[in-house]
Amino acid sequence: QVQLQESGPGLLKPSQTLSLTCTVSGGSINSGGYYWSWIRQHPGKGLEWIGYTYYGGNTYYNPSLKSRVFISADASKNQFSLELNSVTAADTAIYYCARETVLMGASDSWGRGTLVTVSS
Amino acid sequence: QSALTQPRSVSGSPGQSVTISCAGTSRDVGGYNYVSWYQHHPGKAPKLIIYDTTKRPSGVPDRFSASKSGDTASLTISGLQAEDEAEYFCCSYAGSYLVLFGGGTQLTVL
Repeated sequence: QVQLQESGPGLLKPSQTLSLTCTVSGGSINSGGYYWSWIRQHPGKGLEWIGYTYYGGNTYYNPSLKSRVFISADASKNQFSLELNSVTAADTAIYYCARETVLMGASDSWGRGTLVTVSS
Repeated sequence: QSALTQPRSVSGSPGQSVTISCAGTSRDVGGYNYVSWYQHHPGKAPKLIIYDTTKRPSGVPDRFSASKSGDTASLTISGLQAEDEAEYFCCSYAGSYLVLFGGGTQLTVL
């Protein structure tokens, strides 16, 4: 069974770049049939889709974040990553990585999430 | 695109049924049969319980069912159990590779 684990700094200052990595085990990110996603949850709020990448294919972003976000994948490490630049306090959230199965059109595997706080 | 609208909280007693709504628009929930539902216990990874609007993944009890009418999707949990207490999120494809989530509904089992 595939498992996902987020990692990265938990505290950032305003204007810095948020960089998170999702390590995938129990499956290969280049096996096809999956989108590899980043999703976040602001404190006390609902989930917000950030974007996803299809290994060897295209990457798609939430239009509200598109100018600041970059998602990439590294098959040699079986990881995919999120970069969000020019962060502000509004980017404080729990960040989740997830695997969306194309045939299901839904995310069938998630990480537990990692809290990122932006504060001066 | 705005988030999908869910009630902030619902509650029910063990054995009862509860229904959680997820209101969208014709550009998302109403336009596609790609609504999914997730169960989230604090500190754990969210769990997929419904996909393609009405389908259950293997291993999800048939106490969980879902439907859609117009621009509103619904999740029904029958025979409530204590372990069903969690936050539930809906999600819909919104065209042009855009995904929308709901604000989440906290289910309390009384």
